[in-house]
Amino acid sequence: NAGVTQTPKFQVLKTGQSMTLQCAQDMNHEYMSWYRQDPGMGLRLIHYSVGAGITDQGEVPNGYNVSRSTTEDFPLRLLSAAPSQTSVYFCASSSRQSIGANVLTFGAGSRLTVL
Amino acid sequence: EDQVTQSPEALRLQEGESSSLNCSYTVSGLRGLFWYRQDPGKGPEFLFTLYSAGEEKEKERLKATLTKKESFLHITAPKPEDSATYLCAVQAGTGFQKLVFGTGTRLLVSP
Repeated sequence: NAGVTQTPKFQVLKTGQSMTLQCAQDMNHEYMSWYRQDPGMGLRLIHYSVGAGITDQGEVPNGYNVSRSTTEDFPLRLLSAAPSQTSVYFCASSSRQSIGANVLTFGAGSRLTVL
Repeated sequence: EDQVTQSPEALRLQEGESSSLNCSYTVSGLRGLFWYRQDPGKGPEFLFTLYSAGEEKEKERLKATLTKKESFLHITAPKPEDSATYLCAVQAGTGFQKLVFGTGTRLLVSP
């Protein structure tokens, strides 16, 4: 089925460890983004990409890196995990629209716990 | 600063008991207002996009409306399967439009 695929679904890390959350989409969408969702807070944008080779920071980028070498993939790297990064992470994609608003298609999420 | 506030935080309804969820927003240059549904352990799923005041959209038991300051999601004769968290988000500007999300309303419909 077409959509956004995230792996892993669950992950437990120790403080200071690094890891990569994977995201892939097969809809040929130009835009991809990463959000985190925490209790009592709305989804917050971490990083986004408007096309292969182009990335930019969102609202809460500290402690995360991204790259976009292909249209399909947009991995999120945690450099040195901290307990404050315990969260549920969502990858989303959308097509570029010249008019109207972009509808995001979300992945199923990756639940990360940092001890 | 763009802001979205949703109320109530949680809502419990009996099956068949109609109600409305509210999304108040402040944004410069609204490009679109979105409603998403999120089931536990899943990603948000798109429901509606509204573009201008006065616009309405319907899908089954759901109807979304938009004014210059707020949006309502009306649920008519809800069923238990409508239980979910409903998220509102606004998008402004041009190019890559960053969405600003509300914290959501958790809806529980009891049989």
